[in-house]
Amino acid sequence: ETGVTQTPRHLVMGMTNKKSLKCEQHLGHNAMYWYKQSAKKPLELMFVYSLEERVENNSVPSRFSPECPNSSHLFLHLHTLQPEDSALYLCASSQDSWTSAQSSYNEQFFGPGTRLTVL
Amino acid sequence: KNEVEQSPQNLTAQEGEFITINCSYSVGISALHWLQQHPGGGIVSLFMLSSGKKKHGRLIATINIQEKHSSLHITASHPRDSAVYICAVRISNFGNEKLTFGTGTRLTIIP
Repeated sequence: ETGVTQTPRHLVMGMTNKKSLKCEQHLGHNAMYWYKQSAKKPLELMFVYSLEERVENNSVPSRFSPECPNSSHLFLHLHTLQPEDSALYLCASSQDSWTSAQSSYNEQFFGPGTRLTVL
Repeated sequence: KNEVEQSPQNLTAQEGEFITINCSYSVGISALHWLQQHPGGGIVSLFMLSSGKKKHGRLIATINIQEKHSSLHITASHPRDSAVYICAVRISNFGNEKLTFGTGTRLTIIP
């Protein structure tokens, strides 16, 4: 248990559906992250939130919409996805944002991931 | 060509063997991470390095900034070490930072 939980663990959706992924961290961290891991590709950082503000958006299509209502919760809202969006979506948190100069405080703790399949 | 290259891509070893996984990168970095991903997807952050060497239990990570190379070593390997090990580097470019990941090394330890 890393202190970061994700729900659901598995999700199957059609291209016209709207769904949301949820991430919760119980570590008192200030930064949260969404990653995408596709088969046989490197991990991709999608979004970074620090103190509930989005500080990084790595050219992610608008069909992915993040929301960070408070420092403990992070959502990823999904709509009109494509089959190529099928992947493992991982959430992580760290004490400070990974870009912080205080490197000892930005080790990331990962959740178990949500395995998403888009039909 | 990836900015981060890992080798080997796959590694199978007998229990007890000393394991080395390598990570090379092509640009200047501010930090390097080693991550462990178990079957099922969950990722654990093992180390974050900007210089020298770190040790945690049977795991040792080293980095040579001049040679743009890092190694992850596992001593007295055990089947529970079987996982994918991922190297990630923080690249600074004109004030912007980017986190770039290697494709991972799949390690299998046979009892």
